[in-house]
Amino acid sequence: SQQGEEDPQALSIQEGENATMNCSYKTSINNLQWYRQNSGRGLVHLILIRSNEREKHSGRLRVTLDTSKKSSSLLITASRAADTASYFCATDSLTGGGNKLTFGTGTQLKVEL
Amino acid sequence: DTGVSQNPRHKITKRGQNVTFRCDPISEHNRLYWYRQTLGQGPEFLTYFQNEAQLEKSRLLSDRFSAERPKGSFSTLEIQRTEQGDSAMYLCASSFPGNQPQHFGDGTRLSIL
Repeated sequence: SQQGEEDPQALSIQEGENATMNCSYKTSINNLQWYRQNSGRGLVHLILIRSNEREKHSGRLRVTLDTSKKSSSLLITASRAADTASYFCATDSLTGGGNKLTFGTGTQLKVEL
Repeated sequence: DTGVSQNPRHKITKRGQNVTFRCDPISEHNRLYWYRQTLGQGPEFLTYFQNEAQLEKSRLLSDRFSAERPKGSFSTLEIQRTEQGDSAMYLCASSFPGNQPQHFGDGTRLSIL
């Protein structure tokens, strides 16, 4: 079963608006990571947040982590058409070894001009 | 560009044939991972290496699948007697150990006729 579940599955917004995506997971984690994937391409790492961190920023990205609720959110501010992609959360579980990642099914973001 | 490189980008083959994919990781990374991604889903972990040692294999990796990393640098993933269900994108990633991001290649898309 999927460890991470993103919500919503699809999101369509206008350029300049903010986009928020949520992720829920089931087990205790070392860290949670967000990735972006353009159609037919590999995944691009966006941000990693460790289990003892609550919030992290990188440029227009803001990630929060609530380990008590086993959830995370990714906020993209002032979205651009180039942000159109699928976004995945991935968890590095404490119970697993080797830092292998468990991905959710992703949120498809479409940013329209 | 010294990112993760995967070859070939696309592979079309007939059912029952053997296929081999190659991954060249970022040279400083001693961890190498293989994932499989089907349409509309997030990547699923297959196996990972620390240097040349294969340390974990997913239950998804049937005995028709074999992966090697002979000198701790590049890796190959072979699928024997391919089946329709093997059609997917095969992604390779590399990283340092610990709480570190994984860097993905653009994948090899396998289509079984």
